Amino acid sequence: DAKTTQPNSMESNEEEPVHLPCNHSTISGTDYIHWYRQLPSQGPEYVIHGLTSNVNNRMASLAIAEDRKSSTLILHRATLRDAAVYYCILRDVYSGAGSYQLTFGKGTKLSVIP
Amino acid sequence: DTGVSQDPRHKITKRGQNVTFRCDPISEHNRLYWYRQTLGQGPEFLTYFQNEAQLEKSRLLSDRFSAERPKGSFSTLEIQRTEQGDSAMYLCASSLGQGALSNEKLFFGSGTQLSVL
Repeated sequence: DAKTTQPNSMESNEEEPVHLPCNHSTISGTDYIHWYRQLPSQGPEYVIHGLTSNVNNRMASLAIAEDRKSSTLILHRATLRDAAVYYCILRDVYSGAGSYQLTFGKGTKLSVIP
Repeated sequence: DTGVSQDPRHKITKRGQNVTFRCDPISEHNRLYWYRQTLGQGPEFLTYFQNEAQLEKSRLLSDRFSAERPKGSFSTLEIQRTEQGDSAMYLCASSLGQGALSNEKLFFGSGTQLSVL
């Protein structure tokens, strides 16, 4: 599986934008980029996913580099509730052995400062 | 609440005892997953069900672990002869299996925290 690299931790001030980077230099043409986050004492929560174009939803935006070797999750105005571990995960469009599993790394722990 | 429900939230057991966890997925979801998470690590895949069929198992799922999903609804994960290394958060997730896996969104429960003394 193609791997992702994320910073271990980041800090942001409340109500400011946050850009969470993810490197995936070995991404294949059929890998989708998924982001999940995990709040303290909870299971992971889906945030957003995309293939090539930038994506927006009510939670966040996903900016994907033109060569797809990196992506950035953007939280437009961080709140205290956004303090969580954010995981960047690649998922192949083709099914097959091992394709049902999401491979989580250690993610980026985001701290939001009031 | 129509989210994924897991029971119990916490379980403390002695080494060598058997434990069983239950997961109730979102009602219309046909796919169900079990993951395990240890402190400071991301979740690791254990097994996958599509309806009642167990289609994939991780090498992490030793012979002491067994999972079932009778009738394609709730699921149970049993650990026999627990060991201290089994201490972890056990997470259940479900999804509505339509279209490509690449577009799948998983919905996770809050997990069962197992402590083996």
